[in-house]
Amino acid sequence: KAGVTQTPRYLIKTRGQQVTLSCSPISGHRSVSWYQQTPGQGLQFLFEYFSETQRNKGNFPGRFSGRQFSNSRSEMNVSTLELGDSALYLCASSPTAGGSDTQYFGPGTRLTVL
Amino acid sequence: AQSVTQPDIHITVSEGASLELRCNYSYGATPYLFWYVQSPGQGLQLLLKYFSGDTLVQGIKGFEAEFKRSQSSFNLRKPSVHWSDAAEYFCAVGARVIYNQGGKLIFGQGTELSVKP
Repeated sequence: KAGVTQTPRYLIKTRGQQVTLSCSPISGHRSVSWYQQTPGQGLQFLFEYFSETQRNKGNFPGRFSGRQFSNSRSEMNVSTLELGDSALYLCASSPTAGGSDTQYFGPGTRLTVL
Repeated sequence: AQSVTQPDIHITVSEGASLELRCNYSYGATPYLFWYVQSPGQGLQLLLKYFSGDTLVQGIKGFEAEFKRSQSSFNLRKPSVHWSDAAEYFCAVGARVIYNQGGKLIFGQGTELSVKP
């Protein structure tokens, strides 16, 4: 089975722009979660989607949003980019919703905001 | 509040020596516990997990971890470290569905492991 894939792997944007990141989960997995990883804050939960519905959201501003499609693929969008949004964005998929299931991570998208 | 603490930010061990990485958690019920490893510039790879049952769990690459409820700990161990084990290790607790907290994983700050030849 193919693993979680994320595109693009690297992105460079300037302040004020917006960006869309994509995640394709493992085949058969219906839950997709997003995490932000920075040296200062570590790994922080952004949101989780299951069956096209946002199930849970972390403590991030409204500039961070996401969605999930009927094929379970997910996108996250960050609008009005700030320097502090520079991070590795990780996507994880699991068969079911909820923290009780193992989450499998993709390689991440490295976003740099200049 | 739910939290995970990895007290050691950086550990250096000699190749062939044993390893123990510490993890303490704070959670209101029996947690689901995970250890992940991350190589530079890569995503997270699952090493092992504890859901229930036997408190000593075996993982990939020769790692094991022991869940100790009385100490709220889930320490990761390996009897003999290889140079390829150098990476960053993350302990995480998973929120249970019954609390309707979705797929949230709460991570510790990570422990960076260096291996001396």
